[in-house]
Amino acid sequence: EIVMTQSPATLSVSPGERVTLSCRASQSLSSNLAWYQQKPGQAPRLLIYGASTRATGIPARFSGSGSGTEYTLTISSLQSEDFAAYYCQQYNYWPPFTFGGGTKVEIK
Amino acid sequence: QVQLVESGGGVVQPGRSLRLSCAASGFIFSSYGIHWVRQAPGKGLEWVAFIWHDGINKYYADSVKGRFTISRDNSKNTLYLQMNSLRAEDTAVYYCARDGILPPPQVGALDLWGQGTMVTVSS
Repeated sequence: EIVMTQSPATLSVSPGERVTLSCRASQSLSSNLAWYQQKPGQAPRLLIYGASTRATGIPARFSGSGSGTEYTLTISSLQSEDFAAYYCQQYNYWPPFTFGGGTKVEIK
Repeated sequence: QVQLVESGGGVVQPGRSLRLSCAASGFIFSSYGIHWVRQAPGKGLEWVAFIWHDGINKYYADSVKGRFTISRDNSKNTLYLQMNSLRAEDTAVYYCARDGILPPPQVGALDLWGQGTMVTVSS
């Protein structure tokens, strides 16, 4: 089973700041990695797939990068609506499809 | 409107059974694989099961294998999760989610999620 490790667990930031979230896999994923955003009481929403492709309707301030075992989600200028939890998920080696433990982005 | 709507959650005693449903609309349901993903209170996301677009192949997390069964009725645009021998650790919000980025038999990211249905296993 592929283990996905996200860091940090919590990030305190101010609106307008640049945010970088990390996701590490226990094996190379060949960029078969997705990022999701989840706000309290809501379902997750797909942000990024294929490590770097924005899903439909996702603002350009969200970008994904990385390869092999190391991946990054960057929010160029954090907006108030971006305070949420973020999860990475691999779909290279399955089953199981595994998620990271999440990073919560909170207001500083 | 493109959407998935879960139903069937509730409070159930340990060892009992429950069946969840996920009704799809606004897209060609039979063209997509569908997952069940759950989230325990205050915890992260956990993948539960996946079924191919045609219902032939099914996959499960080890934590539910032998107890849960995923199925679908493409004529009714509906996905199911039959949950037997429920345990306290199955308590979670259960989401159905479409595997919609790549055509089958490839799998990709989950691009459409339902709002979730809560399952509480407690005596």
